[in-house]
Amino acid sequence: QQPVQSPQAVILREGEDAVINCSSSKALYSVHWYRQKHGEAPVFLMILLKGGEQKGHDKISASFNEKKQQSSLYLTASQLSYSGTYFCGTSGGTSYGKLTFGQGTILTVHP
Amino acid sequence: EAGVVQSPRYKIIEKKQPVAFWCNPISGHNTLYWYRQNLGQGPELLIRYENEEAVDDSQLPKDRFSAERLKGVDSTLKIQPAELGDSAVYLCASSPGTGPEAFFGQGTRLTVV
Repeated sequence: QQPVQSPQAVILREGEDAVINCSSSKALYSVHWYRQKHGEAPVFLMILLKGGEQKGHDKISASFNEKKQQSSLYLTASQLSYSGTYFCGTSGGTSYGKLTFGQGTILTVHP
Repeated sequence: EAGVVQSPRYKIIEKKQPVAFWCNPISGHNTLYWYRQNLGQGPELLIRYENEEAVDDSQLPKDRFSAERLKGVDSTLKIQPAELGDSAVYLCASSPGTGPEAFFGQGTRLTVV
């Protein structure tokens, strides 16, 4: 079952904040976040594990609500380089390889 | 360190023709994945290898798709015969197996006409 991401697209100005949500109808063990720029390979951002803590680096962080089977990605003080499509990948088991990706959220940051 | 290398980058073929994609993973990475990404969608896992063994191929359309990973290093993905609906970007990824991060190649964009 594919996780559902929201919103489908978001447009920001530099310095603004954004939240991208990822929801699953199945029990989750891990949520992986990737960013893909147009024509490039997806790049790993972070992973959140069941029972783990909120993660983050630089001004990008994420949380994992186990009860709601939902993860949120927080981008604060956005930069032009944040533009791209963000995907969440979810796993119901301990195998990291069995990921099901959402449909993606297109983030565009304008000067 | 070189990343995941895929070739070709682009391929245009007529329907019913065969096509093959090649992937060279990061050195030392035991786990290799093939994904298909349709336009505007997230990647969809086709097959996962642990060394030379295919441990998950449940989403590989086996009537026309095949894959191999000889000696647990390079891998090829083949489609025969190709159909119009196979047009997509085929991504290869690898991981060392010690952590969750998968490193993706730039993909092969296949267009079937």
